[in-house]
Amino acid sequence: IAGITQAPTSQILAAGRRMTLRCTQDMRHNAMYWYRQDLGLGLRLIHYSNTAGTTGKGEVPDGYSVSRANTDDFPLTLASAVPSQTSVYFCASRDRSSYNSPLHFGNGTRLTVT
Amino acid sequence: AQKITQTQPGMFVQEKEAVTLDCTYDTSDPSYGLFWYKQPSSGEMIFLIYQGSYDQQNATEGRYSLNFQKARKSANLVISASQLGDSAMYFCAMRGDYNFGNEKLTFGTGTRLTIIP
Repeated sequence: IAGITQAPTSQILAAGRRMTLRCTQDMRHNAMYWYRQDLGLGLRLIHYSNTAGTTGKGEVPDGYSVSRANTDDFPLTLASAVPSQTSVYFCASRDRSSYNSPLHFGNGTRLTVT
Repeated sequence: AQKITQTQPGMFVQEKEAVTLDCTYDTSDPSYGLFWYKQPSSGEMIFLIYQGSYDQQNATEGRYSLNFQKARKSANLVISASQLGDSAMYFCAMRGDYNFGNEKLTFGTGTRLTIIP
């Protein structure tokens, strides 16, 4: 089934450790996004990529980095995790050529930083 | 800056009744799009419905319709004949104008809907 795969599904991480959340899509979408979901705050954009080779900062980019080496993969890295990065992380993609195209989401990664 | 406001943190509705979930938005972009997503307790995000700012008619998708009032900057989701499976978190989101660099989706804080049997 076509879609977005995120890994891991969940993770407990010690503060100060480095962590990469993986995201792969097989829909050949040009645009990809990382959101974090926190209770009472909805979904907030961390980083995005409009096409392979380009990335941009979203609303809450501090402490996170991304890369987009190819169309399918969009990993999110926490260089040195802090407890405030405890959250559910969603990767999403869409076909940017159509304005009204919705975001397709992965199933999320639940990250706990202790 | 774009902003989405959902003022109802939680709602309880009797099964088979219609329910309206409120969403107001703020943007200065000349064109924009509004989306609704459903997030069941299993956690996945499900796209429900889209309304473009220049669409002449309100969007409908099965039991979902969007009550779009442009002058009031509101885009309320209406679910007719609610079912137990409609219990979920619902998010309103907006995409702004490409030409203004606002194409990224901005989400509201969500409304948790509980359908009572």
